[in-house]
Amino acid sequence: QSALTQPASVSGSPGQSITISCTGTSSDIGGYDYVSWYQQYPGKAPKLMIYDVSKRPSGVSNRFSASKSGNTASLTISGLQAEDEADYYCSSYTSRITWVFGGGTTLSVL
Amino acid sequence: EVQLVESGGGLVQPGGSLTLSCAASGFIFSDYWMSWLRQAPGKGLEWVANINPDGSDRYHVDSVKGRFTIFRDNADNSLYLKMNSLRGEDTAVYYCARHFGGDTFDSWGQGNLVTVSS
Repeated sequence: QSALTQPASVSGSPGQSITISCTGTSSDIGGYDYVSWYQQYPGKAPKLMIYDVSKRPSGVSNRFSASKSGNTASLTISGLQAEDEADYYCSSYTSRITWVFGGGTTLSVL
Repeated sequence: EVQLVESGGGLVQPGGSLTLSCAASGFIFSDYWMSWLRQAPGKGLEWVANINPDGSDRYHVDSVKGRFTIFRDNADNSLYLKMNSLRGEDTAVYYCARHFGGDTFDSWGQGNLVTVSS
């Protein structure tokens, strides 16, 4: 199963908005509304930020939003803050009853 | 509070075996699907295996089929990953995670490093 495709890095200034894309296929992102996004700080476990394409778990800031169109999902972070600097991973359920992840995107807040 | 605590990692020689454990607390363990995921040094996340609430159904990623086995003990609120015929490419931090809604992972352990090297 090939990994989902994410940009290696994105950056933005405090207060700005950024969007991270995640491209898959019709066997994963395009076939199911089961896309998740995770935030990971260095040396720490991933944290669920978005599930079922656009739902936020309790406690996650509403500055985080997400969507999907065809085989591509997107995560948008608005009002960037220094604490948002982390790695972000997208994930999707697949037709092979497995889960596939993107390669990760490092967000820098300049 | 949901807590997942992995143990059992360490250094093992190629071809060797290791069993990882994950102790769960703060939720009804026997109600949830559980997974193991891993992250090679400096790399992205990879789903490894999962198991249904009563342990009767399990799935493994192709790269570990026939070598790794996920199992659980609901009486002990524990999840396990038995790893045989270990290879260098299995070197990674291994996480146990709880499924939420069946299709995402809402709680993760702190991770446990497995290093396969001679």
